[in-house]
Amino acid sequence: GAGVSQSPRYKVAKRGQDVALRCDPISGHVSLFWYQQALGQGPEFLTYFQNEAQLDKSGLPSDRFFAERPEGSVSTLKIQRTQQEDSAVYLCASSLGEQYTQYFGPGTRLTVL
Amino acid sequence: KQEVTQIPAALSVPEGENLVLNCSFTDSAIYNLQWFRQDPGKGLTSLLLIQSSQREQTSGRLNASLDKSSGRSTLYIAASQPGDSATYLCAVRSGANSKLTFGKGITLSVRP
Repeated sequence: GAGVSQSPRYKVAKRGQDVALRCDPISGHVSLFWYQQALGQGPEFLTYFQNEAQLDKSGLPSDRFFAERPEGSVSTLKIQRTQQEDSAVYLCASSLGEQYTQYFGPGTRLTVL
Repeated sequence: KQEVTQIPAALSVPEGENLVLNCSFTDSAIYNLQWFRQDPGKGLTSLLLIQSSQREQTSGRLNASLDKSSGRSTLYIAASQPGDSATYLCAVRSGANSKLTFGKGITLSVRP
């Protein structure tokens, strides 16, 4: 069966550009998470959806970061006016529910020049 | 605020050795703890999930234990193989929050 997929896998942006990162969760998974992983670090939580509801966005580093999941399946993480410090791997994960295993996608590696 | 620590940051062992990877967390009020494997340039693969009411979980050559009161978990790998070389991450889910708090990981190298 298909796992979590993310696109693009690699994105290079010039400082100041807007980017959009896509996550396709496992079918039927109601919970969806976004994490940011800097080089040599563990993933850091950004935001969490249960179906289409964004229940926790406490990890979003600034108001330049915005996430949505309008129909409760595919999610998009948007970063406006990218900065060099936004360079990282952005990981998406989905799960059947809060208490279940989170399954991760391959990530999108964002490089801001 | 929950903090997860994994020490050492890197480990190199000869093939065939049994080894233990350690993870500690500061807040014992956790819902569950999960061990992941990450290969270079790849996402995370879940290895084992231990609920807060459990003491251990086993999958093949892997065994994970949980001591909630002392804020510790260990991942035991039996008869290590070069294919086990990867970064191993420990993550805890705390309280009513669904988010995972990760350690920085331990990069394991198994020498043939």
